[in-house]
Amino acid sequence: DAGVIQSPRHEVTEMGQEVTLRCKPISGHDYLFWYRQTMMRGLELLIYFNNNVPIDDSGMPEDRFSAKMPNASFSTLKIQPSEPRDSAVYFCASSRDIYNSPLHFGNGTRLTVT
Amino acid sequence: QQPVQSPQAVILREGEDAVINCSSSKALYSVHWYRQKHGEAPVFLMILLKGGEQKGHDKISASFNEKKQQSSLYLTASQLSYSGTYFCGYVGAALIFGKGTTLSVSS
Repeated sequence: DAGVIQSPRHEVTEMGQEVTLRCKPISGHDYLFWYRQTMMRGLELLIYFNNNVPIDDSGMPEDRFSAKMPNASFSTLKIQPSEPRDSAVYFCASSRDIYNSPLHFGNGTRLTVT
Repeated sequence: QQPVQSPQAVILREGEDAVINCSSSKALYSVHWYRQKHGEAPVFLMILLKGGEQKGHDKISASFNEKKQQSSLYLTASQLSYSGTYFCGYVGAALIFGKGTTLSVSS
């Protein structure tokens, strides 16, 4: 079991640029979550998918953020255009079951927007 | 709405005990607890389901009172390795985390 794989680990970009974060969940996990972590807000749920279908995207800050899961083994979180306030660590996590199973987190992507 | 964790920070010496509390204003299905070390991803500790159950993991245990919508994490005889930030996560419609409690254990 390779665990949840995120890429890139670090991303530095200029304001206004498009940023794409990638995630490969653990095989067999039906749920995939995107979280954003900052000192001020802690771990915020942005969106989660069940069997590749977005279930709740109420945490997505605004239209600049979008997420897709074209298949069971891949998801992307896109920010376009990026702003300095988007700087944070973005975690992807997957689980078998939202209620009874643990979340397995990827190592995160540290995004810095200058 | 985020669950509320208290205290925000705890400083301990090795061997001392600590309790971290977590409460929610919404009805809950289950509670998760995770620990995050600096610069790393959160790591799962335990899940508690409805039924007022308690669970233990080495010298870390937790309880869940769904009537009061509260959970507590108990760390006994703390070790240096317990240092980190502890998050509770409540499952209602999704898994929402509290802001975390930072635990520092010194020798």
